[in-house]
Amino acid sequence: DAGVIQSPRHEVTEMGQEVTLRCKPISGHDYLFWYRQTMMRGLELLIYFNNNVPIDDSGMPEDRFSAKMPNASFSTLKIQPSEPRDSAVYFCASSFGEGFNQPQHFGDGTRLSIL
Amino acid sequence: KQEVTQIPAALSVPEGENLVLNCSFTDSAIYNLQWFRQDPGKGLTSLLLIQSSQREQTSGRLNASLDKSSGRSTLYIAASQPGDSATYLCAFYSGTYKYIFGTGTRLKVLA
Repeated sequence: DAGVIQSPRHEVTEMGQEVTLRCKPISGHDYLFWYRQTMMRGLELLIYFNNNVPIDDSGMPEDRFSAKMPNASFSTLKIQPSEPRDSAVYFCASSFGEGFNQPQHFGDGTRLSIL
Repeated sequence: KQEVTQIPAALSVPEGENLVLNCSFTDSAIYNLQWFRQDPGKGLTSLLLIQSSQREQTSGRLNASLDKSSGRSTLYIAASQPGDSATYLCAFYSGTYKYIFGTGTRLKVLA
């Protein structure tokens, strides 16, 4: 069974450009989470969805960040315009049932570098 | 503000040793606590999830305990192996706050 799939694995782009990160959750999972990991701040929850509906986006750092989940098998995290401080590893995770009360399955992440 | 601290930050042990990783949290209003491992360049793998009503959970050589009164969880790894080398993270969920990850313990098991 395929796990959570993220693309691209690596992204290098210049400041000001739009960046789109993609995630395919595990089939049948009804919760999807986006996280950001940096050396300074560790792992932080950005936003999570239940049945394709955003539940809590209070972790999204700025209006430059937006996330969508148009269907149960696809989600995007978009940064526009990007800034060097957005450089981080972005993870997507999914779970089934009770959200944070069930084990989360993580993708391998997208390593984003903004020059 | 909820803080989740893991001690030690790094640990290096010879193969075969039993070891304990610690996770401390400041808010006793815990709903559950989850332990993860993260291998370099990879995402997190869930190891054990302890509900607030539970005292411990076991999976193979791993045992995680939860003491709400002292604000502490420990992950016990028996008979450590080089394949256990990874960063171990705990995550605290109160049902109210955001899901808070600990600072992590980087473990190296020497052959």
